[in-house]
Amino acid sequence: GQQVMQIPQYQHVQEGEDFTTYCNSSTTLSNIQWYKQRPGGHPVFLIQLVKSGEVKKQKRLTFQFGEAKKNSSLHITATQTTDVGTYFCAGQKTSGSRLTFGEGTQLTVNP
Amino acid sequence: NAGVTQTPKFRILKIGQSMTLQCTQDMNHNYMYWYRQDPGMGLKLIYYSVGAGITDKGEVPNGYNVSRSTTEDFPLRLELAAPSQTSVYFCASSLLRVTSTDTQYFGPGTRLTVL
Repeated sequence: GQQVMQIPQYQHVQEGEDFTTYCNSSTTLSNIQWYKQRPGGHPVFLIQLVKSGEVKKQKRLTFQFGEAKKNSSLHITATQTTDVGTYFCAGQKTSGSRLTFGEGTQLTVNP
Repeated sequence: NAGVTQTPKFRILKIGQSMTLQCTQDMNHNYMYWYRQDPGMGLKLIYYSVGAGITDKGEVPNGYNVSRSTTEDFPLRLELAAPSQTSVYFCASSLLRVTSTDTQYFGPGTRLTVL
């Protein structure tokens, strides 16, 4: 079955440092989504990438979808304590199919 | 819209007890999901439903049952609770069509402890 892998599992950074999490799928994806879960909270949808090579930005967050549509990354510039949480990628193999979630990257930011 | 609501927020069960976790969505979504999340871990799919009257197993269905009698409600039943079922349970829903993406909306979760 489809697998979505994320690395690293954990990342500790000092406030102001950059952070990147990577997502890799065993199969080509029709789209990839990113979710954020704050400590004690629930996953919340951040963004969706559909096109090969697509790059989207949300303030300090930059999301990329690989040319082969099998990998993606989330980069946070100059982390803040509000960025703390677990970031999940989730891939959809074809339109109409269910999402498969990665294991998540847990980010802690030291002030 | 309230979105996805779950009750209860917290629950402590004794080994062997049973309970039902409630989940309701008011977005008229066809797909609904139950996930469990162990501490520091990712989301594991327990069961999902593509519409009223239709349910299917996810990757960790053992020890759980579901039903979907209406579009809005998707309760999860735990029979004979075991300590291994201590976890946070999230319900989610999405409007998934043949040509659409599966953007999922999550409820706030139920934190269950089995002692």
